[in-house]
Amino acid sequence: NAGVTQTPKFRVLKTGQSMTLLCAQDMNHEYMYWYRQDPGMGLRLIHYSVGEGTTAKGEVPDGYNVSRLKKQNFLLGLESAAPSQTSVYFCASSLDPPQETQYFGPGTRLLVL
Amino acid sequence: AQKVTQAQTEISVVEKEDVTLDCVYETRDTTYYLFWYKQPPSGELVFLIRRNSFDEQNEISGRYSWNFQKSTSSFNFTITASQVVDSAVYFCALGRGTSYGKLTFGQGTILTVHP
Repeated sequence: NAGVTQTPKFRVLKTGQSMTLLCAQDMNHEYMYWYRQDPGMGLRLIHYSVGEGTTAKGEVPDGYNVSRLKKQNFLLGLESAAPSQTSVYFCASSLDPPQETQYFGPGTRLLVL
Repeated sequence: AQKVTQAQTEISVVEKEDVTLDCVYETRDTTYYLFWYKQPPSGELVFLIRRNSFDEQNEISGRYSWNFQKSTSSFNFTITASQVVDSAVYFCALGRGTSYGKLTFGQGTILTVHP
Protein backbone atom coordinates (compact mmCIF):
# COMPACT_ATOMS: atom_id res chain seq x y z
CA ASN A 1 0.00 0.00 0.00
CA ALA A 2 1.27 3.45 -0.90
CA GLY A 3 -0.98 5.12 1.68
CA VAL A 4 -1.55 8.76 0.82
CA THR A 5 0.34 10.23 -2.12
CA GLN A 6 0.49 13.81 -3.36
CA THR A 7 1.41 15.27 -6.74
CA PRO A 8 3.46 17.37 -7.34
CA LYS A 9 6.06 17.53 -4.58
CA PHE A 10 7.12 21.06 -5.38
CA ARG A 11 5.83 23.81 -7.64
CA VAL A 12 6.60 27.44 -8.36
CA LEU A 13 3.79 29.63 -9.65
CA LYS A 14 3.51 33.23 -10.71
CA THR A 15 0.80 35.38 -9.20
CA GLY A 16 -2.45 34.82 -11.06
CA GLN A 17 -1.60 31.39 -12.42
CA SER A 18 -3.74 28.38 -11.65
CA MET A 19 -2.88 24.85 -10.64
CA THR A 20 -4.32 21.66 -9.22
CA LEU A 21 -2.83 19.55 -6.46
CA LEU A 22 -3.71 15.88 -6.56
CA CYS A 23 -4.13 13.64 -3.55
CA ALA A 24 -4.66 9.91 -3.86
CA GLN A 25 -5.20 7.25 -1.20
CA ASP A 26 -5.40 3.49 -1.52
CA MET A 27 -6.78 2.72 1.94
CA ASN A 28 -10.46 2.95 0.96
CA HIS A 29 -10.93 5.84 3.36
CA GLU A 30 -14.18 7.77 3.22
CA TYR A 31 -12.89 11.06 4.59
CA MET A 32 -10.23 13.22 2.99
CA TYR A 33 -8.78 16.56 4.00
CA TRP A 34 -6.57 19.35 2.70
CA TYR A 35 -4.44 21.31 5.17
CA ARG A 36 -1.90 24.05 4.77
CA GLN A 37 1.13 24.43 7.00
CA ASP A 38 2.66 27.82 7.66
CA PRO A 39 5.54 28.65 10.01
CA GLY A 40 4.44 29.00 13.62
CA MET A 41 0.82 28.19 12.84
CA GLY A 42 0.63 24.44 12.80
CA LEU A 43 -1.72 22.97 10.20
CA ARG A 44 -5.01 24.56 9.24
CA LEU A 45 -7.86 22.83 7.46
CA ILE A 46 -8.74 24.22 4.03
CA HIS A 47 -11.46 21.86 2.76
CA TYR A 48 -12.57 18.35 3.49
CA SER A 49 -14.75 15.62 2.02
CA VAL A 50 -16.93 13.09 3.79
CA GLY A 51 -17.26 10.85 0.75
CA GLU A 52 -17.23 10.64 -3.03
CA GLY A 53 -19.01 13.61 -4.58
CA THR A 54 -19.02 15.70 -1.39
CA THR A 55 -16.92 18.65 -0.28
CA ALA A 56 -17.11 21.18 2.53
CA LYS A 57 -15.25 24.24 3.75
CA GLY A 58 -12.76 24.10 6.54
CA GLU A 59 -11.07 26.84 8.51
CA VAL A 60 -9.30 28.72 5.68
CA PRO A 61 -11.16 27.95 2.40
CA ASP A 62 -10.85 31.29 0.59
CA GLY A 63 -8.97 31.13 -2.69
CA TYR A 64 -9.25 27.35 -3.00
CA ASN A 65 -11.66 24.91 -4.58
CA VAL A 66 -11.82 21.14 -4.27
CA SER A 67 -13.40 18.18 -5.98
CA ARG A 68 -13.89 14.53 -5.02
CA LEU A 69 -15.08 12.80 -8.18
CA LYS A 70 -13.62 9.47 -7.14
CA LYS A 71 -13.38 8.05 -3.64
CA GLN A 72 -9.64 7.65 -3.82
CA ASN A 73 -8.84 11.12 -5.16
CA PHE A 74 -9.18 14.59 -3.68
CA LEU A 75 -8.13 17.58 -5.79
CA LEU A 76 -7.23 21.02 -4.51
CA GLY A 77 -7.39 23.87 -7.00
CA LEU A 78 -5.99 27.37 -6.95
CA GLU A 79 -7.74 29.42 -9.63
CA SER A 80 -5.61 32.56 -9.29
CA ALA A 81 -2.60 32.03 -7.08
CA ALA A 82 -1.50 34.73 -4.66
CA PRO A 83 1.76 35.07 -2.70
CA SER A 84 -0.24 34.47 0.50
CA GLN A 85 -0.85 30.94 -0.75
CA THR A 86 2.84 30.11 -0.52
CA SER A 87 2.77 27.21 1.89
CA VAL A 88 3.19 23.49 2.33
CA TYR A 89 0.00 21.61 1.55
CA PHE A 90 -0.86 18.31 3.16
CA CYS A 91 -3.57 15.89 2.24
CA ALA A 92 -4.90 13.41 4.78
CA SER A 93 -7.46 10.65 4.85
CA SER A 94 -9.27 8.65 7.48
CA LEU A 95 -11.99 6.11 8.04
CA ASP A 96 -15.21 7.44 9.52
CA PRO A 97 -14.28 10.04 12.11
CA PRO A 98 -14.12 11.04 14.81
CA GLN A 99 -12.71 7.80 16.10
CA GLU A 100 -10.19 7.23 13.40
CA THR A 101 -6.74 8.62 12.90
CA GLN A 102 -5.91 10.85 9.95
CA TYR A 103 -2.99 9.68 7.84
CA PHE A 104 -1.06 12.29 5.93
CA GLY A 105 0.61 12.46 2.56
CA PRO A 106 4.20 13.69 2.09
CA GLY A 107 3.19 17.28 1.35
CA THR A 108 3.43 19.65 -1.61
CA ARG A 109 5.61 22.71 -1.29
CA LEU A 110 4.14 25.63 -3.25
CA LEU A 111 5.89 28.93 -3.88
CA VAL A 112 3.90 31.77 -5.43
CA LEU A 113 6.01 34.63 -6.76
CA ALA B 1 -13.80 26.86 20.31
CA GLN B 2 -11.06 24.30 20.12
CA LYS B 3 -7.53 25.34 20.92
CA VAL B 4 -4.20 23.57 21.35
CA THR B 5 -1.19 25.27 22.90
CA GLN B 6 2.34 23.99 22.71
CA ALA B 7 4.16 26.55 24.78
CA GLN B 8 7.63 25.29 23.93
CA THR B 9 8.58 26.61 20.52
CA GLU B 10 12.02 25.01 20.52
CA ILE B 11 13.80 22.53 22.77
CA SER B 12 17.45 21.57 22.54
CA VAL B 13 18.88 18.59 24.40
CA VAL B 14 21.93 16.39 24.32
CA GLU B 15 21.60 12.77 23.34
CA LYS B 16 20.43 10.43 26.13
CA GLU B 17 18.65 13.21 27.99
CA ASP B 18 14.95 12.81 28.74
CA VAL B 19 12.70 15.48 27.29
CA THR B 20 9.04 16.34 27.79
CA LEU B 21 6.94 18.18 25.25
CA ASP B 22 3.95 19.97 26.70
CA CYS B 23 0.49 20.16 25.19
CA VAL B 24 -2.47 21.97 26.71
CA TYR B 25 -5.87 21.92 25.05
CA GLU B 26 -9.21 23.68 25.33
CA THR B 27 -12.53 22.20 24.32
CA ARG B 28 -16.14 22.21 25.43
CA ASP B 29 -16.75 18.74 24.05
CA THR B 30 -17.17 15.93 26.55
CA THR B 31 -15.85 13.43 24.01
CA TYR B 32 -12.71 14.30 22.11
CA TYR B 33 -9.50 12.80 20.80
CA LEU B 34 -5.89 13.83 21.21
CA PHE B 35 -3.05 13.05 18.85
CA TRP B 36 0.68 13.49 18.53
CA TYR B 37 2.36 13.67 15.14
CA LYS B 38 6.05 13.82 14.31
CA GLN B 39 7.43 15.79 11.38
CA PRO B 40 11.05 14.84 10.71
CA PRO B 41 13.33 17.02 8.54
CA SER B 42 12.11 15.12 5.47
CA GLY B 43 8.76 16.85 5.94
CA GLU B 44 6.16 14.11 6.18
CA LEU B 45 3.76 13.87 9.11
CA VAL B 46 4.01 10.63 11.05
CA PHE B 47 1.24 9.54 13.39
CA LEU B 48 2.49 8.63 16.87
CA ILE B 49 -0.49 8.18 19.15
CA ARG B 50 -4.20 8.77 19.61
CA ARG B 51 -5.91 9.06 22.98
CA ASN B 52 -9.66 9.15 23.68
CA SER B 53 -10.98 11.55 26.28
CA PHE B 54 -12.65 8.75 28.22
CA ASP B 55 -9.41 6.81 28.57
CA GLU B 56 -6.98 8.49 30.93
CA GLN B 57 -4.51 5.65 31.07
CA ASN B 58 -1.00 6.70 30.32
CA GLU B 59 0.75 4.94 27.50
CA ILE B 60 4.30 3.81 26.94
CA SER B 61 5.76 2.71 23.64
CA GLY B 62 9.45 2.00 23.79
CA ARG B 63 11.19 5.26 24.64
CA TYR B 64 7.99 7.24 24.17
CA SER B 65 5.39 7.84 26.85
CA TRP B 66 2.31 10.00 27.07
CA ASN B 67 0.70 11.51 30.15
CA PHE B 68 -2.96 12.45 29.70
CA GLN B 69 -4.53 14.49 32.51
CA LYS B 70 -8.08 15.72 31.99
CA SER B 71 -7.96 17.71 35.23
CA THR B 72 -5.31 20.00 33.77
CA SER B 73 -6.32 19.55 30.09
CA SER B 74 -2.85 18.36 29.24
CA PHE B 75 -1.44 15.63 27.05
CA ASN B 76 2.31 15.67 27.49
CA PHE B 77 4.81 13.59 25.55
CA THR B 78 8.08 12.33 27.02
CA ILE B 79 11.00 10.88 25.14
CA THR B 80 13.35 8.90 27.36
CA ALA B 81 17.04 8.66 26.48
CA SER B 82 16.64 10.88 23.43
CA GLN B 83 18.48 10.10 20.22
CA VAL B 84 19.54 12.25 17.28
CA VAL B 85 16.84 10.58 15.15
CA ASP B 86 14.23 12.09 17.48
CA SER B 87 15.06 15.54 16.10
CA ALA B 88 11.85 16.75 14.49
CA VAL B 89 8.89 19.03 14.87
CA TYR B 90 6.22 17.50 17.08
CA PHE B 91 2.58 18.49 16.80
CA CYS B 92 -0.17 17.92 19.28
CA ALA B 93 -3.69 17.90 17.80
CA LEU B 94 -7.24 17.82 19.11
CA GLY B 95 -10.13 16.13 17.34
CA ARG B 96 -13.81 16.69 18.08
CA GLY B 97 -15.99 13.83 19.13
CA THR B 98 -19.13 15.07 17.44
CA SER B 99 -18.28 16.25 13.95
CA TYR B 100 -16.45 15.36 10.81
CA GLY B 101 -13.10 14.86 12.47
CA LYS B 102 -11.47 18.22 11.99
CA LEU B 103 -8.15 18.36 13.78
CA THR B 104 -6.99 21.47 15.56
CA PHE B 105 -3.22 21.55 15.66
CA GLY B 106 -0.84 23.24 18.05
CA GLN B 107 1.94 25.38 16.66
CA GLY B 108 4.47 22.61 17.02
CA THR B 109 7.62 22.13 19.09
CA ILE B 110 10.97 21.90 17.34
CA LEU B 111 13.11 19.31 19.10
CA THR B 112 16.81 19.20 18.38
CA VAL B 113 18.87 16.39 19.87
CA HIS B 114 22.59 17.00 19.72
CA PRO B 115 25.08 14.13 19.67
